[in-house]
Amino acid sequence: KAGVTQTPRYLIKTRGQQVTLSCSPISGHRSVSWYQQTPGQGLQFLFEYFSETQRNKGNFPGRFSGRQFSNSRSEMNVSTLELGDSALYLCASSIWRVGGDEKLFFGSGTQLSVL
Amino acid sequence: ELKVEQNPLFLSMQEGKNYTIYCNYSTTSDRLYWYRQDPGKSLESLFVLLSNGAVKQEGRLMASLDTKARLSTLHITAAVHDLSATYFCAGDSFGNEKLTFGTGTRLTIIP
Repeated sequence: KAGVTQTPRYLIKTRGQQVTLSCSPISGHRSVSWYQQTPGQGLQFLFEYFSETQRNKGNFPGRFSGRQFSNSRSEMNVSTLELGDSALYLCASSIWRVGGDEKLFFGSGTQLSVL
Repeated sequence: ELKVEQNPLFLSMQEGKNYTIYCNYSTTSDRLYWYRQDPGKSLESLFVLLSNGAVKQEGRLMASLDTKARLSTLHITAAVHDLSATYFCAGDSFGNEKLTFGTGTRLTIIP
């Protein structure tokens, strides 16, 4: 069974540019969430989608947005990139995310560097 | 708002020894998770704990949850080098599908 797939693996952008990251969840998983990991702030929640609807959003500026498609694949977009956006962006998927002790499975991440 | 604290932040221990990583959280959390991360890699799910007194074990790792004390522990038994990694705990609540992570514990096992 394939795991969570994130593309691209590495990305280098310059300030002011825009970037789109992609995440394909495990087959059958309908919940996709995104996290940002930096040495200074650690792991922080960005947003979570279930059946194409955003159910929860973290404390990030509006430059960070996302969406989920009918096949559960998700994209996140960051506009007007800033140096501080350099981070590892992790996507995670699960079946329901409502109650229970189901695990959340993470992808390998996209390492974004903003120059 | 849920806050999660881990200690210690860094832990260096010899092979064969036992040790415990502690995870305290500030408010009610319905679920407590433990993850492992190797350098440059993603997060590997280890345990999900739901109820008070829950204990789960996998190999040399055992996790427990005390909801009254708002404390979870990850106990390492007879450590081996392969367990060197950063370990994170995280909590969330039903209906709020947002994990709040601790700062992580960087564990180094010395042969």
